Order: sequence, then C-alpha cells, then structure tokens
Amino acid sequence: NAGVTQTPKFRILKIGQSMTLQCAQDMNHNYMYWYRQDPGMGLKLIYYSVGAGITDKGEVPNGYNVSRSTTEDFPLRLELAAPSQTSVYFCASRVQVYGYTFGSGTRLTVV
Amino acid sequence: KNEVEQSPQNLTAQEGEFITINCSYSVGISALHWLQQHPGGGIVSLFMLSSGKKKHGRLIATINIQEKHSSLHITASHPRDSAVYICAATLNYGGSQGNLIFGKGTKLSVKP
Repeated sequence: NAGVTQTPKFRILKIGQSMTLQCAQDMNHNYMYWYRQDPGMGLKLIYYSVGAGITDKGEVPNGYNVSRSTTEDFPLRLELAAPSQTSVYFCASRVQVYGYTFGSGTRLTVV
Repeated sequence: KNEVEQSPQNLTAQEGEFITINCSYSVGISALHWLQQHPGGGIVSLFMLSSGKKKHGRLIATINIQEKHSSLHITASHPRDSAVYICAATLNYGGSQGNLIFGKGTKLSVKP
C-alpha cells in the first residue's frame, strides 16, 4: 500500500541509549518531516527535508539528527536518549500542492 | 499565544448531532488543514483548503481568509467519529518549506 511507513511502532529506551526511528515513503514525495506529539500540545517540527541530501532544523531539533540519502527514506536518530524525549513521533511527507500523508507513529518511552 | 487556536478543547455529543469545531490563526497562511487522529492511531488528512468550502461525506470544512477562521462541521454524527481533530496551518512565507503549525486538537466523543 502506498503511504508513509514508520518503524518501530513502540519502543522503550533506557536513558543514554541511542536508536533510529525509520521512515519510508513510496510516493516520490520531495518533502519529508519529523514531528513529535506531547500530551496536551500541538505537534512540533523536529527536522524536515526538501529533497535527497537536504535537511534542516525545525522548532525542536536538540537531541536528534536526520539524514536523507534517498528520496524514499528519512530516518531520525536519537543520541543519548533522555526522559524529555518520551513522546509520539510522526513522520510525514507531501508534494508541493497536495496535503500531507502521515505515518502511523512511533510511541517512544525513555526510562 | 499559539499561532493556531482551536475550540473547544473537548466536545461530547449525542449520536446524530451536528458538530462544529473552530480554528483561528494569527499568521499568514497558504493553506489550512484538518486532520483526524483516532486514539492510539495515526494521523489522517481530512481536508486542505485555502478558500471557500470543501465537503467529503458528512464532513464539511470552511475557511474565511479575511477573518482568519476555519470551521469543521460533522453532520449526523456517529460514535465512529470519536477522535481528536487537529487544525494545522501551512505558513505563507518564503523559506517556510510548507511547515505546519498545529493547534492542540479538539477531542470529540460521540455517545450512542
């Protein structure tokens, strides 16, 4: 099925561990985004990419890194996980004039 | 003050009722989005609009650019409409790269 695929769906990390959240889309969308969703808050932009090889920081980039080596993949790397990174993470993609397509989310708990 | 404000935060309705969720924004936008998120679920895009009105089934979205206001209406509500509805705006300035600014969401519960 066409869309945005996120893995894993759930993960528990210990403080100081690292992990990569995977995001892949098969719609040939240039624009891709990573958002985090905290209870009672609107989604916040972590990083975004306008095409392969181009990434930029969003509103809350600290503690995260991204790469975009292909149009399809946009992984989000957490280094030295902290409790403040406990959240639900959404990857999204779009083309210029159409709406966004979101992944199903990754629920991350840092303990 | 958030750039995108939604009201109400929580809404409980009886099945069959007409529902309205409001969204106001304080920045220049190129498009306004309505999204739906079921409990524990992903986010689905319902509408993207930059003017006027759009309809899909029992859902209707309107936007008034001059008043910087949008509404999402649900006619003949059903328990399966229970979800969080999120308003989001695509900023209208060079370099924004289509980034979205999100409201905090409206949690809708429709009772049978």
